[in-house]
Parts: sequence; C-alpha cells; structure tokens
Amino acid sequence: EAGVAQSPRYKIIEKRQSVAFWCNPISGHATLYWYQQILGQGPKLLIQFQNNGVVDDSQLPKDRFSAERLKGVDSTLKIQPAKLEDSAVYLCASSWGTTYTGELFFGEGSRLTVL
Amino acid sequence: AQSVAQPEDQVNVAEGNPLTVKCTYSVSGNPYLFWYVQYPNRGLQFLLKYITGDNLVKGSYGFEAEFNKSQTSFHLKKPSALVSDSALYFCAVRGQTDSWGKLQFGAGTQVVVTP
Repeated sequence: EAGVAQSPRYKIIEKRQSVAFWCNPISGHATLYWYQQILGQGPKLLIQFQNNGVVDDSQLPKDRFSAERLKGVDSTLKIQPAKLEDSAVYLCASSWGTTYTGELFFGEGSRLTVL
Repeated sequence: AQSVAQPEDQVNVAEGNPLTVKCTYSVSGNPYLFWYVQYPNRGLQFLLKYITGDNLVKGSYGFEAEFNKSQTSFHLKKPSALVSDSALYFCAVRGQTDSWGKLQFGAGTQVVVTP
C-alpha cells in the first residue's frame, strides 16, 4: 500500500516570497490533515479536510496560508507571503475518516526554510 | 484546552535495558491518548492508542503504554530496548469532542539507545 506522498521535500525561499506544497493521501482516505512542525516542537494542526470540505481550520493563519482539496483527493497548502517564522516542516496526514481508528498516516514532510 | 507534557528532552538507555518515556496530559472529559514515533527525515508513525478499556495498551514494535487516570499519565514502555528504537517519540492527546486530527502533541522525547 502506497503511503502519503508529499512534494517538494525541501524548499528554501526568501521572506515575502510564496511557496506551495502538495500532498497525495493514501487511496481511499477521506480525511486529510496539514500539520506544521517547528523545530523542537510537536506538530500543530493547521487544517483538516473531510473529502473536499474543511472540518477545522481554526489554527490556520488565514492572512497568509491557504489550502484546498479539490475533488477530495490531492491537496495543496500555500503560503503567501512567507515570513521567517514559517520555517518548519509541513506534514500531511490522512485517515479513513473522522471516527474510524484515530490513527493518522503521515507523509515524510516538506521542509521549508525562509531566509 | 488540552495540553501534553513530556518532561524529558532526551532519554538514554543501554540496549537490552527497559525503556520508559514519560507523558502527562490535561484534557476536559475522557482523554484519547496516542504515541507516535519519528525517525530522522521521516514522517510520524503510529505506535499505539488508548481510547477506552484496559489501562495497559500494547502497540507496534513491542511497545506498550499504561493509562493512569489519577495521575493523568500515559507513559510509554518497552521491556528491552533495541538500538533501532533510537528516535523521537511524541505523546498526543485529543479531547472527546475534538475531531480525530486535532491532536495536541507534546514537544517530543529523543530516545538514544546505546549498544
């Protein structure tokens, strides 16, 4: 079974530039999550999709971050404009649903460095 | 709001010795508790969870965790550590009314197992 795919794995940009990350969840997983993991901290949920609808985006900085999940499969997370404090690993995860087992399957992450 | 504390930044143990990684939590209502492991340059992998039932939970790779409601703890244990267990371990909690993805992660504990 293929895992959660993310790209790019690494990205370096200047502050005020924009960046986009892509995620392809495990086939059949209805729920998709984007987490932000800052160095030395645990992951923090940014946004959760159920199919192509947003379930929770309460911790997403909406002035600069946006995410979409067209057709309920792939998802894109965008940051525009980037700030120094956005340097982090962006983890995508997926699960069967919101109440199945509680287990999330994570991708390897996209590491962003903002200079 | 829920919170998780992992009081040790790093745990050092010799191969073959028992391994314990500590976690305490704070949450409204009954907790849903999880342990995830992160190997270098990899995404998080699910180890085990406590939802309800037996306080001793068994998970992947020989790990187990004990839920202690009175002490609000969920310590991760392994009777005999392996060098390959060296990784970053995260405890996470979810409130009963939160969505599955809204896990509150601890800051992580680095486990170093020496031969």
